[in-house]
Amino acid sequence: EVQLVESGGGLVQPGGSLRLSCAASGFSLSSYVMYWVRQAPGKGLEFVSAISTKGGGTHYGNSVRDRFTISRDNSKNTLYLQMGNLRPEDTAVYYCARALGKPSADYWGQGTLVTVSS
Amino acid sequence: SYELTQPPSVSVSPGQTARITCSGDALPKNYAYWYQQKSGQAPVLVIYEDNKRPSGIPERFSGSSSGTMAMLTISGAQVDDEADYYCYSTDSSANQFGGGTKLTVL
Repeated sequence: EVQLVESGGGLVQPGGSLRLSCAASGFSLSSYVMYWVRQAPGKGLEFVSAISTKGGGTHYGNSVRDRFTISRDNSKNTLYLQMGNLRPEDTAVYYCARALGKPSADYWGQGTLVTVSS
Repeated sequence: SYELTQPPSVSVSPGQTARITCSGDALPKNYAYWYQQKSGQAPVLVIYEDNKRPSGIPERFSGSSSGTMAMLTISGAQVDDEADYYCYSTDSSANQFGGGTKLTVL
């Protein structure tokens, strides 16, 4: 069974850092482009970051560029998001997603909540 | 910039046709995708590459695109279709979701 399980969310103070993980099971992470997408409470979906299958190519949304870093460890079947200089507006549920837009491959985790507050 | 604009809400009665639009200057060159998100759940892809339906998605869901506008059509909407719907598009330099449309069926 395909599963994406996010972890690492929680409460962090403004200016702080946090690392999210997304553990994949039921498939080989190395075969897919992977994504982080977030959703602030009561708001819409926002693209955060994407990473190519081997990790050599990355892409970031304008609001997180230069503060967040996406990475992957295909040997551990795990995707990461290192978040730094966090702001209150980064408060959101962060979803890990596989192969956005690809039929039969598009799959999302259930998300992990990050709260940035003093 | 790469922006996609959706109406905040659409409301129909059961059995009617719901139409949700998504407009953006980049749509003539790039595909539109549509996601359904029910309350408390992760999004689900319902239309890909403008007008294709993934397996398992009911036939009442269809998509179209012309010029700077893409449209998701739900023919004979059901109460179970009540959800937030997001368009999504991407090119080599940008990934963007629309603001979302809340579909009410009652």
